[in-house]
Amino acid sequence: EIVLTQSPATLSLSPGERATLSCGASQSVSSSYLAWYQQKPGLAPRLLIYDASSRATGIPDRFSGSGSGTDFTLTISRLEPEDFAVYYCQQYGSSPPYTFGQGTKLEIK
Amino acid sequence: QLQLQESGPGLVKPSETLSLTCTVSGGSISSSSYYWGWIRQPPGKGLEWIGSIYYSGSTYYNPSLKSRVTISVDTSKNQFSLKLSSVTAADTAVYYCARHAAYGPIVVVPAAIDYWGQGTLVTVSS
Repeated sequence: EIVLTQSPATLSLSPGERATLSCGASQSVSSSYLAWYQQKPGLAPRLLIYDASSRATGIPDRFSGSGSGTDFTLTISRLEPEDFAVYYCQQYGSSPPYTFGQGTKLEIK
Repeated sequence: QLQLQESGPGLVKPSETLSLTCTVSGGSISSSSYYWGWIRQPPGKGLEWIGSIYYSGSTYYNPSLKSRVTISVDTSKNQFSLKLSSVTAADTAVYYCARHAAYGPIVVVPAAIDYWGQGTLVTVSS
């Protein structure tokens, strides 16, 4: 089983700043099959990035993903008020389980 | 616009079987381009993938739950279902149904989750 570790657990930033969220895998993620999701309180997660760097439909270009192997990054170039939420990474490149990271909470400073 | 809606009891007794159904509207569950899955989230905690099914009936399960989980599909009703047996308080969670993209040149497997249901809270308590 691939274990995903997200850092930091909590990130405190102000609107307009740049956010960098990390996701580390215990083993190499095959073919960069890694996704990022955003979840706001009381709502289902929303797909932001798939295949490590491809933006999902309708996702603003301030969101970008990068990385390969065991190290992946979600970058939000300029934070908007609606971006403060919890972010999860998930790998789907190996045999089940298709694991999620424990999440990074992005909060307003 | 694709919509997924979970339905089923919100309260299940310990040792009994949790049963949920996901109804898909605005798209066909028989598409070869997608898997259909279940994910859960205990209150205040992170996400756990439970398992996923293809329209053909091919399934993938989380090994930690595999002995207790059955996911089935009913293409005639455009629905898929989850059964989780021998539940305990640790199974209390919001259960989401979802759609995965599917990929693979030979063996088709689940990929990223692009649509989610709104989720339903299932509490295990006597």
